[in-house]
Amino acid sequence: DSGVTQTPKHLITATGQRVTLRCSPRSGDLSVYWYQQSLDQGLQFLIQYYNGEERAKGNILERFSAQQFPDLHSELNLSSLELGDSALYFCASSVVAGGQSEQYFGPGTRLTVT
Amino acid sequence: SQQGEEDPQALSIQEGENATMNCSYKTSINNLQWYRQNSGRGLVHLILIRSNEREKHSGRLRVTLDTSKKSSSLLITASRAADTASYFCATDGSGNTGKLIFGQGTTLQVKP
Repeated sequence: DSGVTQTPKHLITATGQRVTLRCSPRSGDLSVYWYQQSLDQGLQFLIQYYNGEERAKGNILERFSAQQFPDLHSELNLSSLELGDSALYFCASSVVAGGQSEQYFGPGTRLTVT
Repeated sequence: SQQGEEDPQALSIQEGENATMNCSYKTSINNLQWYRQNSGRGLVHLILIRSNEREKHSGRLRVTLDTSKKSSSLLITASRAADTASYFCATDGSGNTGKLIFGQGTTLQVKP
């Protein structure tokens, strides 16, 4: 158990819908990352927050948005869903903002868009 | 986009044998990390090697890094059936962020 929790574990929704994925980082970790894992694209970095502020942005679509709240949990919002958004979405956390430490990954949310 | 490639894409060995996976990357890095993923589950951090290090050990794991060739290797010695998983290398992106850029992964099967 990494200490990172993600809810829900599974999500099935229809095209055009909007969903929210939730992540609670390890106790004491200030940095939260979101990654998407799909068969065709592999593991892709989406976005990073550090202590409530956006720190880095990757291949995140405009239909997707995220935020980190004062209690450090984070939410990833996916809207106008398309079939191609079906994937595993991982949240990870680390103590520091930079890449000098390991990241602890949650179990992921499996999103299926039908 | 992927930072680099891992080789081989799939590897099948017998229990007790050694497994070697290779990773190549494209840009300069501060450090390189290896992660393991059991089928459909979250990634588990294995080892981090900094750009000024050439070799690092952790239990049955040995990682090497050659920054001149932009490549790294992960060696698992005396493999066990429980080592069956996908293994990914990840490099840090530019700037002082924790953004990780993952390779495509090597799927390792260890037969009992």
